[in-house]
Amino acid sequence: GDSVTQMEGPVTLSEEAFLTINCTYTATGYPSLFWYVQYPGEGLQLLLKATKADDKGSNKGFEATYRKETTSFHLEKGSVQVSDSAVYFCALINTNAGKSTFGDGTTLTVKP
Amino acid sequence: DTEVTQTPKHLVMGMTNKKSLKCEQHMGHRAMYWYKQKAKKPPELMFVYSYEKLSINESVPSRFSPECPNSSLLNLHLHALQPEDSALYLCASSQAVGTQYFGPGTRLLVL
Repeated sequence: GDSVTQMEGPVTLSEEAFLTINCTYTATGYPSLFWYVQYPGEGLQLLLKATKADDKGSNKGFEATYRKETTSFHLEKGSVQVSDSAVYFCALINTNAGKSTFGDGTTLTVKP
Repeated sequence: DTEVTQTPKHLVMGMTNKKSLKCEQHMGHRAMYWYKQKAKKPPELMFVYSYEKLSINESVPSRFSPECPNSSLLNLHLHALQPEDSALYLCASSQAVGTQYFGPGTRLLVL
């Protein structure tokens, strides 16, 4: 079946540091890939997405590129802020199966 | 507008109670989802409705009963729950099979 593997957290960074959260996937067909963010006590918010190979999703300074050759969708941000502290989930949607698969989540804490 | 609303925000119930969770979206999406999320875990899919018909049931116990009265509304009826059912219940919607937009969730505590 489909699977998503994220780098284990927690990740702790200082403000303005560079962020990378690794995500790799296994899926049949051509899935769409997503990053969601969950702030404490809230639901999941869509951060960015990519629907085909070599697409780059971007939003609020975050970026991720759909790499089919390495089956990866790593999340990056050049300069993190305290307000970026949250749990980040990598996910895929397999249009053939009509179902989504989530990674285990990575907790990011940014210290001032 | 990409808003999915859920009520109530918090719910405390006893094991003999009957309660319902409600979810609403006005984006014209034709697929709606219920997820269960335990602390520090990813969401687990429970049910999927597509065009108001139940299309996926992930072997959820019968004490959880979904209902989709129309294309904008999704309910989850709860009866005789167990303490281990305490969790954050998330609703999501999407245009067919595509990007899912999540609501803020209902935090459920079963005593």
